[in-house]
Amino acid sequence: DQQVKQNSPSLSVQEGRISILNCDYTNSMFDYFLWYKKYPAEGPTFLISISSIKDKNEDGRFTVFLNKSAKHLSLHIVPSQPGDSAVYFCAASAKSNTGKLIFGQGTTLQVKP
Amino acid sequence: DTAVSQTPKYLVTQMGNDKSIKCEQNLGHDTMYWYKQDSKKFLKIMFSYNNKELIINETVPNRFSPKSPDKAHLNLHINSLELGDSAVYFCASSQSYSGNTIYFGEGSWLTVV
Repeated sequence: DQQVKQNSPSLSVQEGRISILNCDYTNSMFDYFLWYKKYPAEGPTFLISISSIKDKNEDGRFTVFLNKSAKHLSLHIVPSQPGDSAVYFCAASAKSNTGKLIFGQGTTLQVKP
Repeated sequence: DTAVSQTPKYLVTQMGNDKSIKCEQNLGHDTMYWYKQDSKKFLKIMFSYNNKELIINETVPNRFSPKSPDKAHLNLHINSLELGDSAVYFCASSQSYSGNTIYFGEGSWLTVV
């Protein structure tokens, strides 16, 4: 039972353009959502998060949008840079569930120069 | 200054052996975790400890035994290793166990032959 899904295994974008990574969840108890970036042979690095009381959070080139009614969130990267090429994981947690993170399966982003 | 550090990074061992992976965090966090990334690349929580107390144990075989000597350390001991234990094991920490960002170590690549 996969509660967090990233249906696109990969995405290729031209440098300077927008990258949009999508994530869907099924558990309505989730109240905190995060995006992590992972390079090969390294651990996931926290990128940006959003609480369920908000619908948008922005940090530099990264913006996360949350649509609670659709149980959908997305990560926008503008402008995309070659160094953004990595695997991006969406994750969700519920305070009522001791805060454990449930991860999606990841989307590999390739930004072409 | 690595915030969450784990050793060893790579470990190749034979079936039936017992091995340990050590983890330390210097962030002053109260909560530590072990996550496993399997061959399908899913990241799944195994255990979490809050101030040395076990709070999450996700149906992990009892061959896996976490030990937290203090809140800055969470070690993972695995008895009678099996081929299916081959995976990447990530240690992580967060300020508390409820609705906080989790920070990961670089991972320990375990291969059982």
